[in-house]
Amino acid sequence: NAGVMQNPRHLVRRRGQEARLRCSPMKGHSHVYWYRQLPEEGLKFMVYLQKENIIDESGMPKERFSAEFPKEGPSILRIQQVVRGDSAAYFCASSPRQIYEQYFGPGTRLTVT
Amino acid sequence: AQSVTQPDIHITVSEGASLELRCNYSYGATPYLFWYVQSPGQGLQLLLKYFSGDTLVQGIKGFEAEFKRSQSSFNLRKPSVHWSDAAEYFCAVEKDNDMRFGAGTRLTVKP
Repeated sequence: NAGVMQNPRHLVRRRGQEARLRCSPMKGHSHVYWYRQLPEEGLKFMVYLQKENIIDESGMPKERFSAEFPKEGPSILRIQQVVRGDSAAYFCASSPRQIYEQYFGPGTRLTVT
Repeated sequence: AQSVTQPDIHITVSEGASLELRCNYSYGATPYLFWYVQSPGQGLQLLLKYFSGDTLVQGIKGFEAEFKRSQSSFNLRKPSVHWSDAAEYFCAVEKDNDMRFGAGTRLTVKP
């Protein structure tokens, strides 16, 4: 059973471009969570999704950020018109159900130049 | 407000010495409690979790944690640290599907 997969592992974008981060949860997991980790900081919750539904996006910036978890395919975190402050590591986690430990992917390190 | 506090930003211990990493939480009721470890450039790996029952929880890699309700704490311990334990450690709590992480404690292991 493969773990949580994220790609790309490293992503470089110029200011104003779009960044798309992908997360494939573990097999059988229908809950996906996205977190952002800034240098020297802990993880900050961004959004929690189930298949085709956003359950909690209270940690997501109101503008430029969006997330989806379609019926088929990976979950996508999309950042439009990236700025330097978006540079961070973005982690995806999955779980088989609510109130269960989360399994983390290796992260995508976004650098905005 | 709900919060998770890891008071120690950075801890250095000698290889073979014992270790205790502190975690305190502020929640209205007992949440679910977790410790994760993150090696440089890697994702987080679950060390152990507490949902209910025995307040002393055993995890992987020789780690254990003790839940103390009266102190709202869930401290992580290891009796003898190995050089490979050098990493960042995160305490996390979950209540009503709201998962919060502490800021992390970076562990350095001296030879």
